[in-house]
Parts: sequence; C-alpha cells; structure tokens
Amino acid sequence: KQEVTQIPAALSVPEGENLVLNCSFTDSAIYNLQWFRQDPGKGLTSLLLIQSSQREQTSGRLNASLDKSSGRSTLYIAASQPGDSATYLCAAGGDSSYKLIFGSGTRLLVRP
Amino acid sequence: GEEVAQTPKHLVRGEGQKAKLYCAPIKGHSYVFWYQQVLKNEFKFLISFQNENVFDETGMPKERFSAKCLPNSPCSLEIQATKLEDSAVYFCASSQTGGSGYGYTFGSGTRLTVV
Repeated sequence: KQEVTQIPAALSVPEGENLVLNCSFTDSAIYNLQWFRQDPGKGLTSLLLIQSSQREQTSGRLNASLDKSSGRSTLYIAASQPGDSATYLCAAGGDSSYKLIFGSGTRLLVRP
Repeated sequence: GEEVAQTPKHLVRGEGQKAKLYCAPIKGHSYVFWYQQVLKNEFKFLISFQNENVFDETGMPKERFSAKCLPNSPCSLEIQATKLEDSAVYFCASSQTGGSGYGYTFGSGTRLTVV
C-alpha cells in the first residue's frame, strides 16, 4: 500500500531564501508524481508533474526532482516571496486505478 | 472549458439529510476522480470514473455514498443520510488519461457542513 510522507510539516522562512520541500513514498512503482499548491479555503493548483521516466521538471522559480529508486521527490523554490505562502502537497500516481495518494502537506510561510 | 467546475461551493445539511454535489470535468477528459479532504490536509480517494463507467470505487462508503457520471450531464456525488463525520471539502478532478503523461486538474471543491 502506497504511503506518502512530507517533511517538514511547517516551514517559516524570510523572503528571498531558497528552500526545499521533501516528499517520500514507499512504493517506487509510480506512474507520476505531482506537486500542488493549496491556499487556505481554496482548491488545488497543479504546480509540476513529473512522469515516472523523468528526473525533474522546472517552472519558473520552481524545480521538482524525482528519484524513484530512493522513493523521494523534492520541490525547490528559489528566491521565495510572501506570495509563495501556502500549503504544498505532493501526490503519487501509483497503481492501475490511477488514483493519487497524497502526502499531508508542508505549510509554508514566507515572511516579508 | 479548461477548468473543472464544482457546484455548489458550500452546502449545509442537517444530520440525516441528503447532500448532492456536482462536478463538470474538462471537456475531452476521460477520467473523473472524487476526493474527500478532512482534517486540514488529509485527502481520501473516494471513486473514479472512466467516461460514464465506474473505474475504481474502493474508497466509497457504499452504504450511504453513491456517484454517477452520465453522458452530457455533470458528474454527481450523493450522500444519503449525512452524518457529522461527512463534513469535509469534496474535490473533483479530471484527467485526459488516467495514467502517466497527464496530470490531474482539480476543481475548487464543495465544502459540506453537516450540523
């Protein structure tokens, strides 16, 4: 059974800092791994999708990596801004049913 | 359109009442998924559809929950005889294909409050 873990649960950093969010999964047989952002009381915004055959994806200040063999993915945020404050969730698309297994998220606060 | 549309945004029901939630997936997307978010960030998979066919219903509490995706209609998730523990945000997502290569687009959710 796939389990997804995210650490840290919460992170507070000053504006401008580069930061890394971690995601680990127990079953390496995944189809893809997706990073989402959720603002309070809002839905999920897809940030990056890494297919199982890929090692990383980049979008603007965001870079996500995937290492299936070690069961890990990281989301790197460069030059953080207060507008980056949100909860970041990773989700593994694993089995033949295509459903996503979510981590519990990292709550990020970027202080001005 | 290019968004997954969920209605209503908020729904309040007395315990024991019925609740019905709707989801219009992105046109051309074959897969629809329903998730329940409780306790802040805990997402629970409920059910998925491939077009109008149930694809995976292993997460559904079958005694009170039902769902449909009929042609030319929004998909629906219905809860009969709601309980306090059903209070959650219900998210719908759609995907062009189910597996690798395409991500999932989520709607903004329906917040169900059972009082």
